[in-house]
Amino acid sequence: SQQGEEDPQALSIQEGENATMNCSYKTSINNLQWYRQNSGRGLVHLILIRSNEREKHSGRLRVTLDTSKKSSSLLITASRAADTASYFCATDEGGSEKLVFGKGTKLTVNP
Amino acid sequence: EAGVAQSPRYKIIEKRQSVAFWCNPISGHATLYWYQQILGQGPKLLIQFQNNGVVDDSQLPKDRFSAERLKGVDSTLKIQPAKLEDSAVYLCASSLARYEQYFGPGTRLTVT
Repeated sequence: SQQGEEDPQALSIQEGENATMNCSYKTSINNLQWYRQNSGRGLVHLILIRSNEREKHSGRLRVTLDTSKKSSSLLITASRAADTASYFCATDEGGSEKLVFGKGTKLTVNP
Repeated sequence: EAGVAQSPRYKIIEKRQSVAFWCNPISGHATLYWYQQILGQGPKLLIQFQNNGVVDDSQLPKDRFSAERLKGVDSTLKIQPAKLEDSAVYLCASSLARYEQYFGPGTRLTVT
């Protein structure tokens, strides 16, 4: 079963613009993570936000979490062509170690 | 630090044949995961090992899939016999700390 649902499914922007992706989930969580997957490669962990946190920053990444709405957003500022990838949110199902991934948002950053 | 290694990177087989994938996790990582990622979807956990014991295999189709982790290090995932719907990327991941998983490059399986 897939817990997270990312929105939009695909996003195309110009270099230098900001990209925002959203994730909604269904059950209670202890934390939510975002991963990036470049074409044909494995996933890379980007950032983890705990259920008692509302916002977290890492370089050009900003993640927000709203547990009342069961949603999260990932903002990439000043995007680069190298940011072109699929982005997935993943939650711990009921607080277990098991990660449940969404279907992902495919981001294309045009030079 | 070497990452998670997987082989082969690509495999094409006919339906009803068998196939095996190999994973070498990051040294010292006790937890190892196998995921199946069908095109256009997120990864789905197939099986989780803690050392060489199985923690979760609830989504592993046990009639055709099997996995083992010998000596708590390397792991193999086998499919026998393969079906068309098994075409996917098979990802191996390992972790030391709870929640943070490191993924290998994956094996792309095509069943014809």
